[in-house]
Formats: sequence, C-alpha cells, structure tokens
Amino acid sequence: DAGVIQSPRHEVTEMGQEVTLRCKPISGHDYLFWYRQTMMRGLELLIYFNNNVPIDDSGMPEDRFSAKMPNASFSTLKIQPSEPRDSAVYFCASRRAGGGYNEQFFGPGTRLTVL
Amino acid sequence: GEDVEQSLFLSVREGDSSVINCTYTDSSSTYLYWYKQEPGAGLQLLTYIFSNMDMKQDQRLTVLLNKKDKHLSLRIADTQTGDSAIYFCAANSGYALNFGKGTSLLVTP
Repeated sequence: DAGVIQSPRHEVTEMGQEVTLRCKPISGHDYLFWYRQTMMRGLELLIYFNNNVPIDDSGMPEDRFSAKMPNASFSTLKIQPSEPRDSAVYFCASRRAGGGYNEQFFGPGTRLTVL
Repeated sequence: GEDVEQSLFLSVREGDSSVINCTYTDSSSTYLYWYKQEPGAGLQLLTYIFSNMDMKQDQRLTVLLNKKDKHLSLRIADTQTGDSAIYFCAANSGYALNFGKGTSLLVTP
C-alpha cells in the first residue's frame, strides 16, 4: 500500500491567495483527519470525516478554512484567503473504523508558507 | 479540547536510557500512544498501551501508565543516534487523538 498521499509537499503563496491542499487516504480506511502543526501550538486537529461526512470541525480556525471529502479516496483542505499566520505543516491521516487501538496513519505533510 | 502535556526537550548520550514523560486530562481515553516524527516526515506510530494496562514492553521500548495520575512515560533503552526525533504522546478522545506538543530527543555520541 502506498500509504496516505498528500500534495503538494511544499506550497509557497502570497497573502490573499487561495490555497488547496489534497489528500488521498489509505484504501479501505473510513476515517480521515486533517491536522496543522506549528512550533507554537504543536499538532492541532482541524477536522475529521467518517465515511466522507464531516464529524467534528471544531478545530477549524475560522471561516477562511474549509474541507471537503467528495468520495472515499480524496479530500481537500482549502484556505481562502490565505494569511501569513496560516504558515504551517498540514498533515492528513486516515484509519479504519472499528475498535482496537485505532492507529492513525499519517501522510508526509504539506509545508505551507504564506508570504 | 483535552490537554496532553509533555516536556519539550531531552538530551541523552548514546547508550543511555531515555525517559519521556506525558500527562493527559481525559479520563475516558482508552488508548494512549507514542508517535515518532523524524525531520521532514509525518508521524509514525511507535507503540501504544490500553488504559487497563500499566506496562507494555516492546524490544527497547517500555511504556508505563499510571491511570490514577494520568501519567504516561516512554523509556527507550540503549538509545541510539537514530532515535533522535520528536516524540508525541497522544490520548484518544473517541475516534480522534489529542496530541502533546512533542518532545525533541537529541542523542549525542
């Protein structure tokens, strides 16, 4: 299995521009998570989906952020308009449903720089 | 959300043991995890422990859980330079995970 795939790996954009981050979860995984990592705040959960439906978006910082999961194999996180304080590494993770220790598998991340 | 706290830095010499500590607040967490992040990479699950256990050993790794105090620790025996990374403690909250800010482990020769 290829693991969780994220694109792009690096994104540099100017303030005010729209940014779209993409994620392909591991096939067969029912849950998808978006995280943001910064030095100041550590790893924050932004939103997560179960069977393509958003379950908890309480971590989304503000209305400039939106996330979609149109099908089981694709999700996007969009920032419009972007601001310098959005600069961070954004991770996508996925896991299977069911009990047990529910390991989340992480993608390599997208490093976003907003100038 | 629920808090997970851990110290930010730890430096040890190669061959020594490393102990990384973590506290959490969510008493309903059923699983506690340790993830490892190497530079420029995502997080990888290192080990986990079920909340009704107090110890788990996996090769060089020992996890201790004090559920009463909500304290978790990770001990790495015979620490190697390749163990230098950021280590994250996490507690589940339903299907989501709450992570600490990570402990940067530096192993010096």
